[in-house]
Amino acid sequence: SQTIHQWPATLVQPVGSPLSLECTVEGTSNPNLYWYRQAAGRGLQLLFYSVGIGQISSEVPQNLSASRPQDRQFILSSKKLLLSDSGFYLCAWNPGTNEQYFGPGTRLTVT
Amino acid sequence: AQSVTQLGSHVSVSEGALVLLRCNYSSSVPPYLFWYVQYPNQGLQLLLKYTTGATLVKGINGFEAEFKKSETSFHLTKPSAHMSDAAEYFCAVSDRSGYALNFGKGTSLLVTP
Repeated sequence: SQTIHQWPATLVQPVGSPLSLECTVEGTSNPNLYWYRQAAGRGLQLLFYSVGIGQISSEVPQNLSASRPQDRQFILSSKKLLLSDSGFYLCAWNPGTNEQYFGPGTRLTVT
Repeated sequence: AQSVTQLGSHVSVSEGALVLLRCNYSSSVPPYLFWYVQYPNQGLQLLLKYTTGATLVKGINGFEAEFKKSETSFHLTKPSAHMSDAAEYFCAVSDRSGYALNFGKGTSLLVTP
């Protein structure tokens, strides 16, 4: 069966520090991968999606970036965090059908 | 573009009462529709989905939803609420491209004893 992992589970970082969040999927190949952010009191905001290695589409211009160095690995990064980057970051995948399956999330607090 | 509107950011029901969470969609093409549930500090879990065929869709944990094209609705129901149903519920729509889901803002369900 397929599983999706995210780490770290929680992270507290100062403003201006770099960020790297990792997402990996097991038990499937060539999945579509997604990064979402969920801010307090707001819905899910799609940040990036990828249909293959090295193929990244950005939905929202900001100081975040994403990379897909391997088929089942998706990384969210920032060079300098802002206070507004705080939130719950969710990775998701789909196997080419329409539903998406979500990871457990990373709670990021920027101080 | 596709979008969903969830009516009511907070819904409170008594344990054993009917649960009704409302979702209306906007789509220029036949939509795929989804309901997800999110427990505190966890990811989203797929409850059910409508793609084609039968308009009454049954999901996990006793939930079901009915696709009504004439009303552009996909409301989520459960006959009898349990305390464990307290969570955030999200409705989502896809344009069938397989690339993206558009989520509603969510409805927080509170179940009281």
